[in-house]
Amino acid sequence: DGGITQSPKYLFRKEGQNVTLSCEQNLNHDAMYWYRQDPGQGLRLIYYSQIVNDFQKGDIAEGYSVSREKKESFPLTVTSAQKNPTAFYLCASKPGRHAQGEKLFFGSGTQLSVL
Amino acid sequence: AQSVTQLGSHVSVSEGALVLLRCNYSSSVPPYLFWYVQYPNQGLQLLLKYTSAATLVKGINGFEAEFKKSETSFHLTKPSAHMSDAAEYFCAVSDSPDKLIFGTGTRLQVFP
Repeated sequence: DGGITQSPKYLFRKEGQNVTLSCEQNLNHDAMYWYRQDPGQGLRLIYYSQIVNDFQKGDIAEGYSVSREKKESFPLTVTSAQKNPTAFYLCASKPGRHAQGEKLFFGSGTQLSVL
Repeated sequence: AQSVTQLGSHVSVSEGALVLLRCNYSSSVPPYLFWYVQYPNQGLQLLLKYTSAATLVKGINGFEAEFKKSETSFHLTKPSAHMSDAAEYFCAVSDSPDKLIFGTGTRLQVFP
């Protein structure tokens, strides 16, 4: 079945540590996104990528980094510079940058907590 | 920039009662509007979307939404709530071909 796979489901970060969240899709979608979800704040865009080897900052990119070396993969690194990383992280994709009316396909999320 | 406002972070209804979840948008051009649903510890699923083809949009699970330009609203309704409808609901507007802007969400509780 086609879809988006996020791993791990739960992740714990120690003080000063970088951690990487995985996002893989087999939908052949060009565009991929990372959102952060906090209670009562909805979803906020961290980074997005419309094509391999290119990505743009979203609204809350500070303390995060991404790469897009392959079309199907868009990993997110939460760096030690992110002082409040505890949140639910969602990866999403859609066919392409001009598909404004197309829906986003979401993964099942990663819950990141600080030890 | 476009935005959406969801009135009411929590809504409670009895099983069989009408569900009404409110969403207002700000946009200077005809927008693309979406409603998504999220069940606990899961990603979001599309309920329905408005892309200017029709003002009344029907979605999955018996939900529908009406686009009212004069009120800049896109409220989500369901005539009769079911226990399985308990979830968090997000309204979203397409800011550009690149981005989707989400509201803060409304948690729906359904009581027997």
